Amino acid sequence: DVKVTQSSRYLVKRTGEKVFLECVQDMDHENMFWYRQDPGLGLRLIYFSYDVKMKEKGDIPEGYSVSREKKERFSLILESASTNQTSMYLCASSLGAMNTEAFFGQGTRLTVV
Amino acid sequence: GDSVTQMEGPVTLSEEAFLTINCTYTATGYPSLFWYVQYPGEGLQLLLKATKADDKGSNKGFEATYRKETTSFHLEKGSVQVSDSAVYFCALIDFYSGGGADGLTFGKGTHLIIQP
Repeated sequence: DVKVTQSSRYLVKRTGEKVFLECVQDMDHENMFWYRQDPGLGLRLIYFSYDVKMKEKGDIPEGYSVSREKKERFSLILESASTNQTSMYLCASSLGAMNTEAFFGQGTRLTVV
Repeated sequence: GDSVTQMEGPVTLSEEAFLTINCTYTATGYPSLFWYVQYPGEGLQLLLKATKADDKGSNKGFEATYRKETTSFHLEKGSVQVSDSAVYFCALIDFYSGGGADGLTFGKGTHLIIQP
């Protein structure tokens, strides 16, 4: 089975901190994604990556950056955390452009105080 | 841009009732359509998918048919169980004519509650 692992289930950070959310997949998938999930808003795409060192902005990239130095790892970075970034963050991966099933991690619940 | 609209709920049903969760979409390319399910405390799991018009996806008693003429992908189940209680997300991925694609576009999710 494909496994997508997010490094933390719960995080509490202070306003202004630099925050790293890590995601690792174990099935050699080309595509990786970061979403945030908020009540009443569903899932919104922050960034995605189709290859190592490659990244594309999603619908809500402001305040975030990403890093993909290795194929299996995709990091989401909050440069200066703010309270409006309190949310559930979901990482996903998929094999390639035509194999579209996405596999999700269990999520990281981030609270910024 | 692409979008997915689904009934938001919560939807509360009794066990063994018939379920329909409506989903409609707008897309500019050639979308594939999905239903994902999120059980409490877990990430999303793919429930079913359909990649072209008139395809029917099915899994665990759930079904959905890709209707291009009505741009819909409604989720149905004939007899729901308490264990079906979860949040259900309709989603699409839109393929460009050149073969590229962006990430999945999701609806806002429908919270389904099944009472014994």
